Amino acid sequence: SFELKQPPSVSVSPGQTARITCSGDVLSKQEAYWYQQKPGQAPVLVMDEDFKRPSGIPERFSGSNSGTTFTLTISGVQTEDEADYYCQSPDISGLSRLFGGGTKLTVL
Amino acid sequence: EVQLVESGGGLVQPGRSLRLSCSTSGFTFGDFAISWVRQAPGKGLEWVGYIRREVYGGTGEYAASVKGRFTVSRDDSKSIAYLQMNSLQTADTAVYYCARDTLAYDYWGQGTLVTVSS
Repeated sequence: SFELKQPPSVSVSPGQTARITCSGDVLSKQEAYWYQQKPGQAPVLVMDEDFKRPSGIPERFSGSNSGTTFTLTISGVQTEDEADYYCQSPDISGLSRLFGGGTKLTVL
Repeated sequence: EVQLVESGGGLVQPGRSLRLSCSTSGFTFGDFAISWVRQAPGKGLEWVGYIRREVYGGTGEYAASVKGRFTVSRDDSKSIAYLQMNSLQTADTAVYYCARDTLAYDYWGQGTLVTVSS
């Protein structure tokens, strides 16, 4: 399949660890990238290729992968991390781009 | 400072056309592909299309939902990318973002709202 699947929602308490997954067959061949989007704002890249954090992204954000699933992990979640998170990848040919459906992270 | 600024959005009737612009600064525009991504009200992100660097032909790729109706272009002399949208449908109502495309989108504009309604 050429889709990227994410859980619609994840809820954690402050200080806990949040894990958001992104699954798709294409991820056996392509990288996944992660974006954070807060209400009324443009998305922000929080995880680049090879699990690199762009400048300004806190160390509590990390990434990993296993087969066809990429995971964004937020350790020691803070209330400011409450947002929608999207994974994105090139398709298998590299000619187009795919987005996951997004995961709403709620910090209780 | 890298900046991308979209403009050209607004209210348009179904079947009409609209051209969006993505004005950029703070980086060498010609060294990057530019993607367009949209977000319908209350929905997720949807890739619309992108335009390659001129050195790779300056050609575009499109999502199936817009192919044949939308065209991306670029003017490297002005550091501007365009999204020409024809035969607009109510389903095209969304905030349209442009983003610098390095396979990842490391910089985004603030978005421009396109509303397709009679």
